[in-house]
Amino acid sequence: AQSVTQPDIHITVSEGASLELRCNYSYGATPYLFWYVQSPGQGLQLLLKYFSGDTLVQGIKGFEAEFKRSQSSFNLRKPSVHWSDAAEYFCAVVNDYKLSFGAGTTVTVRA
Amino acid sequence: NAGVTQTPKFQVLKTGQSMTLQCAQDMNHEYMSWYRQDPGMGLRLIHYSVGAGITDQGEVPNGYNVSRSTTEDFPLRLLSAAPSQTSVYFCASSYDSSGGRGTGELFFGEGSRLTVL
Repeated sequence: AQSVTQPDIHITVSEGASLELRCNYSYGATPYLFWYVQSPGQGLQLLLKYFSGDTLVQGIKGFEAEFKRSQSSFNLRKPSVHWSDAAEYFCAVVNDYKLSFGAGTTVTVRA
Repeated sequence: NAGVTQTPKFQVLKTGQSMTLQCAQDMNHEYMSWYRQDPGMGLRLIHYSVGAGITDQGEVPNGYNVSRSTTEDFPLRLLSAAPSQTSVYFCASSYDSSGGRGTGELFFGEGSRLTVL
């Protein structure tokens, strides 16, 4: 069964700085990968997804992610963070008809 | 469109009580699912459904029942609540067009916070 691991529990970044969140997936066939964001007290919202093709995927809110098969990674990036990007971010993979989530990374943005 | 609506938003139960968390979606989505969210564990799938009359178990199904009599509704029943079921519960649906493989974008409700004493 495929799974994802998010190595960073918590990241603090200054407003305007770049952000990179790590996600590693377990070995399998071409994975279907997702990044979701959860603002405080809210449900999750899809940022972007990768199924196949171009390994650099653009999402909403200025986020992008790069699929690297050689590193089994699907890291999320944003060139310049805004205070509103403070949230919890989840990487997820389709696993036998189900979506499995990583433990999440909490992002704090300081002024 | 209301999207995915969950009720109640908050509930406190005593050990051994039963209750039903309601989930309704108005997007005509075939795929619906229930997750629980616990600190440091992300979201774990409880049950899911790929269409009316079809349900299946996720990672953590014990202590929970579901049914899917209509496309719109997917209630989650706690049969005999235990403190270990204290959690935030999310219902999510998808327009998934890949025969229920769960590859579509999930639309989440706002969550139901359950405390079992």
